[in-house]
Amino acid sequence: QQQVRQSPQSLTVWEGETAILNCSYEDSTFDYFPWYRLFPGESPALLIAIRPVSNKKEDGRFTIFFNKREKKLSLHITDSQPGDSATYFCAARRTGNYKYVFGAGTRLKVIA
Amino acid sequence: DPKIIQKPKYLVAVTGSEKILICEQYLGHNAMYWYRQSAKKPLEFMFSYSYQKLMDNQTASSRFQPQSSKKNHLDLQITALKPDDSATYFCASSQDRGSYEQYFGPGTRLTVL
Repeated sequence: QQQVRQSPQSLTVWEGETAILNCSYEDSTFDYFPWYRLFPGESPALLIAIRPVSNKKEDGRFTIFFNKREKKLSLHITDSQPGDSATYFCAARRTGNYKYVFGAGTRLKVIA
Repeated sequence: DPKIIQKPKYLVAVTGSEKILICEQYLGHNAMYWYRQSAKKPLEFMFSYSYQKLMDNQTASSRFQPQSSKKNHLDLQITALKPDDSATYFCASSQDRGSYEQYFGPGTRLTVL
């Protein structure tokens, strides 16, 4: 049973468009949701994160929209660039539990 | 300079052999973790250490043994290797066990033939 689900599995957008990556979860005790970006051969890098007390978190071109009632969140990447092409992972963590539960990832490709 | 070093980057082993995956972090963190990503699967939590003590083990098999010789080291010994052990193994760390932000190394890609 996958606790954190991501969709789509892969996504292709044109340069300048907004890429929308979706994530949903089942456990209402999750209280921290980071997004990681992974380029092949590199470390997963923490991009942005949100806690359920907020319904939106913005950092430059990256914005998380969070819907606690529906247990869904999405990462919006505005003005997408070819350099944004990577795999993006949504993760979740419960209060008092330090391990992350990861989604399977969305592979984003941005075409110039 | 890389803050979390994992060695080697790639590793090929034969079934039944034993290998050690190395992880060193230079972030001054007190908690370290191992995660595994098998083909087409999410990253999966394996172990956590805090101040060189094992805190959580989510790995069913005793063939996986973490080893912490120094505060900033957390190696992973894998014995009696099987083809199903083929995966990328990521080391991570956080300031403390309760810290939300975890930082990951570049991974060791293990292939067992």
